[in-house]
Order: sequence, then C-alpha cells, then structure tokens
Amino acid sequence: GNSVTQMEGPVTLSEEAFLTINCTYTATGYPSLFWYVQYPGEGLQLLLKATKADDKGSNKGFEATYRKETTSFHLEKGSVQVSDSAVYFCALRRGANSKLTFGKGITLSVRP
Amino acid sequence: EAGVTQFPSHSVIEKGQTVTLRCDPISGHDNLYWYRRVMGKEIKFLLHFVKESKQDESGMPNNRFLAERTGGTYSTLKVQPAELEDSGVYFCASSHLDRANTEAFFGQGTRLTVV
Repeated sequence: GNSVTQMEGPVTLSEEAFLTINCTYTATGYPSLFWYVQYPGEGLQLLLKATKADDKGSNKGFEATYRKETTSFHLEKGSVQVSDSAVYFCALRRGANSKLTFGKGITLSVRP
Repeated sequence: EAGVTQFPSHSVIEKGQTVTLRCDPISGHDNLYWYRRVMGKEIKFLLHFVKESKQDESGMPNNRFLAERTGGTYSTLKVQPAELEDSGVYFCASSHLDRANTEAFFGQGTRLTVV
C-alpha cells in the first residue's frame, strides 16, 4: 500500500537557519506529492505540491522537488523565521478525488 | 468564501458516551473527507463522500463510527459508544470533484478527548 515516511522530530532551529525536512514515500504509479502545514490553533493548509517527477513546488520561501529515483520530496527553506514554527506534514495522493496519505508530521520550532 | 467549518472545536466525554462531530464543507465541494490524528501519529484517512454517497469508507476503524452526509451538504461523524482510543483530532476536508490538481481544504479540526 501507499505510505509516507518523515524524519523524526521535533526540530528546533535559530532564526535564519537553513531547514531541511526529509520525506520519502512508497506508492505504485505516479502519485502527487504535498506538504501541508498546521500553524498553532489553525487547521491544515496546503504549503506546496508537485504532481510529476522533477517538478518543484514552492511557496513562502519553501521548496520541495519530486524525486522519482529516490522516492523523496524533501522540504527546504534557506532562512527560517519565527513565524514558520508549525507542524509540517508530507502527503501523497493517487488521483484527483483520492484520499491523502500522510506522514507522522514534524514539529518545527524557530527561536529568535 | 467561507472555509471548511468543524464543530465543536473541542469535546471531552466519558467512555461509553456518544459524541457527534459536524463538518460544513466549502459550498460547491462534492468531495468530503474525514481524517483522524491520534497523538503523535500520522493523520489517517477515515472515509470519503462524493455528494451524499460513501465513496470509500475503508479507514473507518469499527462499527462504533457512523458518518452521514444527508443532502450532500454538511456531514456528521458519530462515535457511539466512545472508547479511550478514540481520542484524537478529527479533521474534515473538502474539494471539487474531478478537477485535475484540485486542492483539498481542511477545517481546524475537532479535538476529542475520551476520559
């Protein structure tokens, strides 16, 4: 079946540090890949997505590239801010109407 | 445009009681999904409605969970009787039907605590 594996957390960084959050997946075919973010007290929001191999999703300074050869979709940001403190979930979906399969999520705390 | 709304935001009930969660999707979204996150674990799929029909209920944990979407608008998820392991955050999401690359919009979730 489909699955998503995220690196263990939590992660604590200083402001302006470089961020990488690893995500790998197992799926048949060609899933779409997503990063969702949950800020404190809010619901899940789509951060970025990629729908085919070698696509790069980007938003709010975050980037992730769909790597078919390594089945990965690692999230990166060059300089994190305190406002980036949140829980980040990697997910995949096979088909426009299909369910999302999520990883465990990782809590990021950015200190001033 | 209003987003996905879930009610209540928090619920604390005793083991054996009944709880009903409600989700109001974005108007015009035929797809409606329920998910659950147990503390520290991944968000797991529960079920998927297309309009008022259950398209996929493979994630429903057992027959103590009953979901409905009468009229294809809002949905309810009833847990009866609740058990301790039902505690977690229940998320609802909605999206347009059959649109390539459509985005699923999530509600804020209902935090259920069974004591």
